[in-house]
Amino acid sequence: QVQLVESGGGVVQPGRSLTLSCAASGFTFSSYGMHWVRQAPGKGLEWVAVVSYDGNYKYYADSVKGRFIMSRDNSQSTLYLRMNSLRTEDTAVYYCAKVNCGGDCYSRPDYDYWGQGTLVTVSS
Amino acid sequence: QSALTQPASVSGSPGQSITISCTGSSSDVGGYNYVSWYQQHPGKAPKLMIYEVSNRPSGVPDRFSGSRSGNTASLTISGLQAEDEADYYCSSYTSSNTAVFGGGTKLTVL
Repeated sequence: QVQLVESGGGVVQPGRSLTLSCAASGFTFSSYGMHWVRQAPGKGLEWVAVVSYDGNYKYYADSVKGRFIMSRDNSQSTLYLRMNSLRTEDTAVYYCAKVNCGGDCYSRPDYDYWGQGTLVTVSS
Repeated sequence: QSALTQPASVSGSPGQSITISCTGSSSDVGGYNYVSWYQQHPGKAPKLMIYEVSNRPSGVPDRFSGSRSGNTASLTISGLQAEDEADYYCSSYTSSNTAVFGGGTKLTVL
């Protein structure tokens, strides 16, 4: 069965960096686009970033552009989010999510599987 | 990348029907057939309920349906049940090859 397991969350000071990981299993990871979505405590969902199935294309929300870097290692079926220059407003649960169709539809926000989320708290 | 507009809350009695709207622009909701709806219960990850405006994933009851008119998409839940009480979010593909979510709607089953 499909599983997405995030890790790497924790408490970090403003201005510091943190890297999240998302380990995927149960499907052909290299065939699907993947997204990061976050949710601040008590708030709604916010789209963060997308990477194409082959890692060649990446797009970011304006709120994280220039600070966050999304990548993937298809040989390890793992997704990453490197978060630099963290701000208090980046505090959220971060979810990785799989697109429900393979190939070039990687940017579509049709997520058939989500991880359980990992909490990032940015605080001094 | 402005969030799509959803009502903050809706409510209905068991057995009734409710509709949640999601308003965007021609650069997102109105421009592409890639609008999705998610259900989220407290403390849980979101669940895909509708994709590509009106398609239901397998396992989602046919009480849930989606539609769109112009720049506004809608989620309708008919035959409301207690377990439908949750937060609902719309999302759309955008002309920038990114995605955007709505602010979310809290559904209360009276």
